[in-house]
Amino acid sequence: DAMVIQNPRYQVTQFGKPVTLSCSQTLNHNVMYWYQQKSSQAPKLLFHYYDKDFNNEADTPDNFQSRRPNTSFCFLDIRSPGLGDAAMYLCATSRDVTGSGYTFGSGTRLTVV
Amino acid sequence: QQQVKQSPQSLIVQKGGISIINCAYENTAFDYFPWYQQFPGKGPALLIAIRPDVSEKKEGRFTISFNKSAKQFSLHIMDSQPGDSATYFCAATNQYGQNFVFGPGTRLSVLP
Repeated sequence: DAMVIQNPRYQVTQFGKPVTLSCSQTLNHNVMYWYQQKSSQAPKLLFHYYDKDFNNEADTPDNFQSRRPNTSFCFLDIRSPGLGDAAMYLCATSRDVTGSGYTFGSGTRLTVV
Repeated sequence: QQQVKQSPQSLIVQKGGISIINCAYENTAFDYFPWYQQFPGKGPALLIAIRPDVSEKKEGRFTISFNKSAKQFSLHIMDSQPGDSATYFCAATNQYGQNFVFGPGTRLSVLP
């Protein structure tokens, strides 16, 4: 089945140690998004790629970076994780910028120790 | 203007009852309004969506009612089941897909 796959499901990292979360999609969607979701809160958009064009949200900390080497893969890099970065990170895709076909992955829960 | 308001924050309904969740928005540029269902430990899953050219959309037990003049839309779950217990998010975006804005969520519990 075509889908959005996030690995790993659970990630534990040390305070200040760089960590990378990955997302892949078999939907051939043009747009890929990264969201941060903290407990009992709505997902918060960090940034998105439209093809290779990177779009950063104004309030996304510099600590968060992203790479999209090809259509299928997108990575979230947290350069120096702090305790406040512990959250569920959700990847999503859509066919185009109208949001059609918006599909979420199951998320990676990040713990910072 | 980018905010989407959602109420109630939590909702308890008896099995077989009707669950109603309401959302309101300010930005008249929004033209796509989806609802997402999220179970614990899972990503949000698209439940149903509507565009402002219709006032109602029904899929099975789920109905979206849309009031363009009031800038409000709501989700109705008919014959609510315990398996519907989840967090529901309304969302909105514009034709450019920018700032896909989520409401704060409603935690629904359906009692058996």
